[in-house]
Amino acid sequence: QQPVQSPQAVILREGEDAVINCSSSKALYSVHWYRQKHGEAPVFLMILLKGGEQKGHEKISASFNEKKQQSSLYLTASQLSYSGTYFCGTEGLGRDDKIIFGKGTRLHILP
Amino acid sequence: SQTIHQWPATLVQPVGSPLSLECTVEGTSNPNLYWYRQAAGRGLQLLFYSVGIGQISSEVPQNLSASRPQDRQFILSSKKLLLSDSGFYLCASSTIGVSPLHFGNGTRLTVT
Repeated sequence: QQPVQSPQAVILREGEDAVINCSSSKALYSVHWYRQKHGEAPVFLMILLKGGEQKGHEKISASFNEKKQQSSLYLTASQLSYSGTYFCGTEGLGRDDKIIFGKGTRLHILP
Repeated sequence: SQTIHQWPATLVQPVGSPLSLECTVEGTSNPNLYWYRQAAGRGLQLLFYSVGIGQISSEVPQNLSASRPQDRQFILSSKKLLLSDSGFYLCASSTIGVSPLHFGNGTRLTVT
């Protein structure tokens, strides 16, 4: 079951904050976040595990609410380099569950 | 750390021609291997998943197939390409347990 990301796209000015949401209809074991620049491969940002946690990476952090099966990615004081498409990938509780990605959120930072 | 080698970087093939994309992994043993496809401006669609040699799980029925002849080698094939097979193909690797996906640089396939 593909996770749902929102918003689909967002335009910000440099220095503004953004929140990207990811929700699943099934119970999750982990949530992955990746950023992809145009024409390049996705780059890993962070993993959040079942148990409900928050993680941070420079000015990019994320939370995972396992009861709601939702994760949010927080981009604080955005920089031009943050532009790209952000994907969440979710992994279920089953032993054979694979990482399934949402459709992505396009983020464009204006100077 | 893992390094994913994927080739070719770009490929233009006529409809009906065969396809073979290769991916090799360095820096880890017994990785989980994935093939994803990304259509222009779209998300990452999981095509195939493998947990070991000869073990392939197909996620989407189509005219593509995958094989894993060696522990760190993953091949995506087609006998006859369709126009709809155009896209950006990404090979990825992860280790056992919860671990990040490491992606190759991708192959941009255009079927004409």
